[in-house]
Amino acid sequence: EDKVVQSPLSLVVHEGDTVTLNCSYEVTNFRSLLWYKQEKKAPTFLFMLTSSGIEKKSGRLSSILDKKELFSILNITATQTGDSAVYLCAVETQGGSEKLVFGKGTKLTVNP
Amino acid sequence: GAGVSQTPSNKVTEKGKYVELRCDPISGHTALYWYRQSLGQGPEFLIYFQGTGAADDSGLPNDRFFAVRPEGSVSTLKIQRTERGDSAVYLCASSRTYQETQYFGPGTRLLVL
Repeated sequence: EDKVVQSPLSLVVHEGDTVTLNCSYEVTNFRSLLWYKQEKKAPTFLFMLTSSGIEKKSGRLSSILDKKELFSILNITATQTGDSAVYLCAVETQGGSEKLVFGKGTKLTVNP
Repeated sequence: GAGVSQTPSNKVTEKGKYVELRCDPISGHTALYWYRQSLGQGPEFLIYFQGTGAADDSGLPNDRFFAVRPEGSVSTLKIQRTERGDSAVYLCASSRTYQETQYFGPGTRLLVL
C-alpha cells in the first residue's frame, strides 16, 4: 500500500526562525512529489518535484527530492506569522490512477 | 473561472438524508478529482474524472457515494443515506489534463448530525 509520512506533525517557532519539514514515502511507480500549503480549507500548490537533487525555490521557500532515500524536505527561511498553516506532502504515482496520496501534514505555527 | 469553486461552503444535514456537493473546475481543465479530508488527516482520494467518464473510482468508500460529470465540466458528488462518519471536508481539484498539477477548491465542510 502506498504510504506518505510527514514529520514533525506539529511545530511551533518564532518569527525569523528557519524550519525544515520532512516527507518520506513508499509508493510503487513514483511519478512526482508535491507540496501544498493549507491555511483554511483549500490546499494551495507550492512545488512539484520529479528529479533528485534539483532544488526548487520560491522566495523564502525551497524544496528538494531524494529519490534514492525516498524523501523530500521543505525549507522555510526567515519565517513570518503568515507562514502559519498545515503543509501537506503528496505523491503521485504513474501507470494507473492519477490520484495523489497525501501525508497527514505538518502544522506549523509561527509566533510573533 | 479563476479557480476551482465549490458549493455549498458548509452543509449541515441529518443522518439518513441525501446530499449533493458541487464542484466547478478551472475553465479548460479536463481532469477533475474528489478528495475527502477528515480532521487531522491529509486528503484521501475518492474519484477521478477524465472528461465525462470516471477513470478511477477506487476511493469511493461504499455504494452510498456516487459522482457524475455529465458535460465534462461541473461535477456533483452525491451521498445517499448520510452517516455521522461522512462528516468531513470534501475537496475538489482539477488539472489541465492528467498527470499535471492539481489545483484545489476551498472545499465543502459536511456535518452530519
